[in-house]
Amino acid sequence: SSGLTQDPAVSVALGQTVTITCQGDSLGTFYANWYQQKPGQAPLLVISTVNNRPSGIPDRFSGSRSGNTASLTITGAQAEDEAVYYCHSRDISGNRVIFAGGTKVTVL
Amino acid sequence: QVQLVQSGPEVKKPGASVKVSCKALGYNFISYGITWVRQAPGQGLEWMGWISAYEGKRNYAQSLQGRVTMTTETSTMTAYLELRSLRFDDTAVYYCARDNSDILDYWGQGALVTVSA
Repeated sequence: SSGLTQDPAVSVALGQTVTITCQGDSLGTFYANWYQQKPGQAPLLVISTVNNRPSGIPDRFSGSRSGNTASLTITGAQAEDEAVYYCHSRDISGNRVIFAGGTKVTVL
Repeated sequence: QVQLVQSGPEVKKPGASVKVSCKALGYNFISYGITWVRQAPGQGLEWMGWISAYEGKRNYAQSLQGRVTMTTETSTMTAYLELRSLRFDDTAVYYCARDNSDILDYWGQGALVTVSA
């Protein structure tokens, strides 16, 4: 498949750790970036090129890659982390950019 | 600071065209590309395409080929997205984002385009 796949939803207790995964054949070749989107807002870059955090993003956000799977981990989730998280990379041909369907993270 | 400021909401009839603008502030416009992404109501993000602000090279999503044109105007540091032959399912929020080698590091606020008869 040339697409990227994420679980639709996940929940995490306040202060606990949650890992979101993104799977795709292209991820063995191309880096993944991660975006956070809250209702009514534009997406916000939280992790780029596997595990680089832009300025202003808390260090509880981290990324990793293993084979064809990219992961975003929130260590010590806060209420404000409740959002949809999207994985983004290239397709297997490298000619197109694709987004996965997003994972809604609920903080309980 | 870096900002991308988009034009306002639009309401169009099916078959019409729409042109959305994205004005870049606070950085060297020609050093980056611009990617356009749209989001239909309640749906995920859809990559529409990319344009190099330096040389105008473009790469469009296959699903939009023939209906979409992306341009830039370096004198005003503005990128434009034109979508033609609008359909009901083109109703969406259209975002521009600064493209830093496939990293979308700054986003516009979004422009709602509604296609309605």
